[in-house]
Amino acid sequence: EVQLVESGGGLVQPGGSLRLSCAASGFTFSSHAMSWVRQAPGKGLEWVSGISGSGGSTYYADSVNGRFTISSDNSKNTLYLQMNSLRAEDTAVYYCAKDQTVAGTIYYFDHWGQGTLVTVSS
Amino acid sequence: DIVMTQSPDSLAVSLGERATINCKSSQSVLYSSNNKNYLAWYQQKSGQPPKLLIYWASTRESGVPDRFSGSGSGTDFTLTISSLQAEDVAVYYCQQYYSTITFGQGTRLEIK
Repeated sequence: EVQLVESGGGLVQPGGSLRLSCAASGFTFSSHAMSWVRQAPGKGLEWVSGISGSGGSTYYADSVNGRFTISSDNSKNTLYLQMNSLRAEDTAVYYCAKDQTVAGTIYYFDHWGQGTLVTVSS
Repeated sequence: DIVMTQSPDSLAVSLGERATINCKSSQSVLYSSNNKNYLAWYQQKSGQPPKLLIYWASTRESGVPDRFSGSGSGTDFTLTISSLQAEDVAVYYCQQYYSTITFGQGTRLEIK
C-alpha cells in the first residue's frame, strides 16, 4: 500500500525558513516523480514544485522559484521541500503527491499525503 | 502558464441525476505526437486530500466508479457523473500537465 506522510509544518515568521519532509513507502520511490502541491485555507490547489525519480530534474512554480528548493533522498525514500524567505501568502496545507507514471517529468498524481500546515505570520 | 477555467463554480444536482462540470484551457493540451490530451480530474472531499479520478482526459483511475467519465479534446473538457450519489459531494478540479502544472479553480458539487 502506498503511503505518503508529510511532516515539518508549523508557524514561522515572515522571512523565515522551514523544511518539509515526506516519507514514502509502498512503491519504488526512485522510479516516480514527486511533487509538492499546496492549498491555502479555503482555496484551490496550487502545484509548487516537482522532482524526477532520479532527482536529476527539478521544476518550480514561478511563485516559489528562487525561494524554495525541492530534493529527494532515494536511500531514505524521502522527499523534501526547503522553504526560505517565507511570505504570508505561502500559508497553506502542503501535500506531497506521487506521479502515477514512470516518466521523468511531472504528469498527474495518483497518491497524496494528508498534508502538513504551514502558517506564515508574525 | 496555461490557465484552466472551470464552470460552474458551484453546482447543485438531485440524487440520481446527471452532473456536468466543464474545464477550459487557455491553450490546447493535446500533444500531437501521441494524440493524447494532458488533462486530469480530481475529487476532493472536505478535510481530505484530492483523489485522482480521470487522466489522459478520459481514462478512469482504477477503483473509480463507472458513473464518472471524462471527455473532450484540445481546450474543452467535461467531467460527467451519470447518476449522482450522496458520497459524490465534493470539490472537483481539473489539472493540465501539458506544460507547467496548473489546476482549475474548482467546482463545488452539492445535493439539491
